[in-house]
Amino acid sequence: EIVLTQSPGTLSLSPGERATLSCRASQSVSSSYLAWYQQKPGQAPRLLIYGASSRATGIPDRFSGSGSGTDFTLIISRLEPEDFAVYYCQQYSSSPPMYTFGQGTKLQIK
Amino acid sequence: QVQLQESGPGLVKPSETLSLTCTVSGGSIINYYWSWIRQPPGKGLEYIGYIYNSGSTNYNPSLKSRVTISVDTSKNQFSLKLSSVTAADTAVYYCARGYYVWGDFDYWGQGTLVTVSS
Repeated sequence: EIVLTQSPGTLSLSPGERATLSCRASQSVSSSYLAWYQQKPGQAPRLLIYGASSRATGIPDRFSGSGSGTDFTLIISRLEPEDFAVYYCQQYSSSPPMYTFGQGTKLQIK
Repeated sequence: QVQLQESGPGLVKPSETLSLTCTVSGGSIINYYWSWIRQPPGKGLEYIGYIYNSGSTNYNPSLKSRVTISVDTSKNQFSLKLSSVTAADTAVYYCARGYYVWGDFDYWGQGTLVTVSS
């Protein structure tokens, strides 16, 4: 099973700043199968990025994803007040089929 | 717009079977991985399993012996059964649509809290 480790666990920043979130896999992940989600309290996760770098429908362009192999990054270029939430990375491996999530990064207001 | 809605008991006794249903509206139930994901209070997300095209299933190995996912295409619903539950199964349970092309979950239900307690 591929384990995803996200860092940092908590990130404290101010609105307008740039956020860089990391997701490291225990073995190589197909870039096609790496996604990022945002979750606010009491809400379901929302898909932000799929295929490591493609924004989901309706996601602002301040969100960008990159990476390959075992290292992936989510960048929020200029933080808005509504961006403070928990972010999860997720991978899918096809052989055998299995989904795993990272443990999450909490982005909080400094 | 695809919408998913979970339904089922919010309280289950230890050793009994947890049963939830997800109703899908606004889209076809064909050719997607209809999935269940859970989140214990204050913790992260755990994949439970999916069903694809009325027959093919995949389960998280850590839960496989206790999980059954089924689908009723006539009702656009899919269901989760988790047997022999303990307090460790207390969680918010989400249903979600998995898109096999990208391996992501693009639509989610709002989630339902299931508490295991006597």
